[in-house]
Amino acid sequence: DSGVTQTPKHLITATGQRVTLRCSPRSGDLSVYWYQQSLDQGLQFLIQYYNGEERAKGNILERFSAQQFPDLHSELNLSSLELGDSALYFCASSTGTEDSNQPQHFGDGTRLSIL
Amino acid sequence: AQSVAQPEDQVNVAEGNPLTVKCTYSVSGNPYLFWYVQYPNRGLQFLLKYITGDNLVKGSYGFEAEFNKSQTSFHLKKPSALVSDSALYFCAVRDNRDDKIIFGKGTRLHILP
Repeated sequence: DSGVTQTPKHLITATGQRVTLRCSPRSGDLSVYWYQQSLDQGLQFLIQYYNGEERAKGNILERFSAQQFPDLHSELNLSSLELGDSALYFCASSTGTEDSNQPQHFGDGTRLSIL
Repeated sequence: AQSVAQPEDQVNVAEGNPLTVKCTYSVSGNPYLFWYVQYPNRGLQFLLKYITGDNLVKGSYGFEAEFNKSQTSFHLKKPSALVSDSALYFCAVRDNRDDKIIFGKGTRLHILP
């Protein structure tokens, strides 16, 4: 058990809809990362938050947004959903020191299916 | 820009034989290098990392990796493979001057009984 909790485990919705994925990081971890994993694109880094502030941005679409709350949990919001957004979405956390060479601890993901 | 390559989509090894999963990288600054393993329907699990120091890094489950600066490689190795090592393995690189982390496309390791 990594200590990172993601909800829900599965999500099925339709094109054009909006969903929110939730992540609770490991106790004591300040950094939260979001990733998208699909068969054709592999594991894509989306965004990182550190102690409530955006720290790094990867290949995140404008239709997607995220935030990290004061209690350090994070949410990833996906809107105007398209068929191509169907994927596994992972959250990971780390201690997130300034010189961040610490490993990340991954949740088991949310499987998003767009019909 | 940083990048990481795992040239093999799949590696097949007989149980008991040594295994190698290849990874090469490109960064502007000094690399932080990681290996992760993913089992079906699970998130990635950290195996080992190289930050600085000894080029041979030992990690979980008997795995080790060798950092080679001249070849910009960080290959994952294990002296004797187990069937339970069958999984998807990801190499990742982080430039020490950049907060972004890049993952390779993954290599599926099949250990044949």
